[in-house]
Amino acid sequence: GAGVSQTPSNKVTEKGKYVELRCDPISGHTALYWYRQSLGQGPEFLIYFQGTGAADDSGLPNDRFFAVRPEGSVSTLKIQRTERGDSAVYLCASSLGTSGTGELFFGEGSRLTVL
Amino acid sequence: AQTVTQSQPEMSVQEAETVTLSCTYDTSENNYYLFWYKQPPSRQMILVIRQEAYKQQNATENRFSVNFQKAAKSFSLKISDSQLGDTAMYFCAFMKPGSARQLTFGSGTQLTVLP
Repeated sequence: GAGVSQTPSNKVTEKGKYVELRCDPISGHTALYWYRQSLGQGPEFLIYFQGTGAADDSGLPNDRFFAVRPEGSVSTLKIQRTERGDSAVYLCASSLGTSGTGELFFGEGSRLTVL
Repeated sequence: AQTVTQSQPEMSVQEAETVTLSCTYDTSENNYYLFWYKQPPSRQMILVIRQEAYKQQNATENRFSVNFQKAAKSFSLKISDSQLGDTAMYFCAFMKPGSARQLTFGSGTQLTVLP
């Protein structure tokens, strides 16, 4: 596609359930990022992939959060045993590389609501 | 660690007028990059303008310009000839070179352009 695509757009789940959020980056972009945006806040970094490997996962809040990018393109953010505090918009971004100030292109996010 | 502060949660401006959004940041780095992003209700983060800290000249992109004061660690955004389509959340963001493009965002300013 022309831009970063994220699915689902909205997800409502119950506390304790498992959730997967998908990100399809711009074709050819090697770098992929996940950010979390809580209500009334700016986005916060979660994890960064360069190709298939997670180059930096220092932003993941705990071991309930995990992300994969098995073929270096689509990425899935996985959240186990969801908690109400996980409710947020999860933004994905991609870029051509990681040098210089090349632009990050963001998707429209997945809004997760945990009841 | 870097911090970014936006002290104006909400602002409004009349159509065709000029408005300035404030941003301050804290860092011990000498070289870094600063950005302003726009987030409309669609949730997609859109890059408005960027500034390299080593450049003394303030960046300009059409109706958008910045006032970068490195010593004061201030990075304000001026929007001239405001248009209804400028209504959005605006986020100031900081990036450290070599950080693989991890962005640190402020908490945002909701700008409303009034007809």
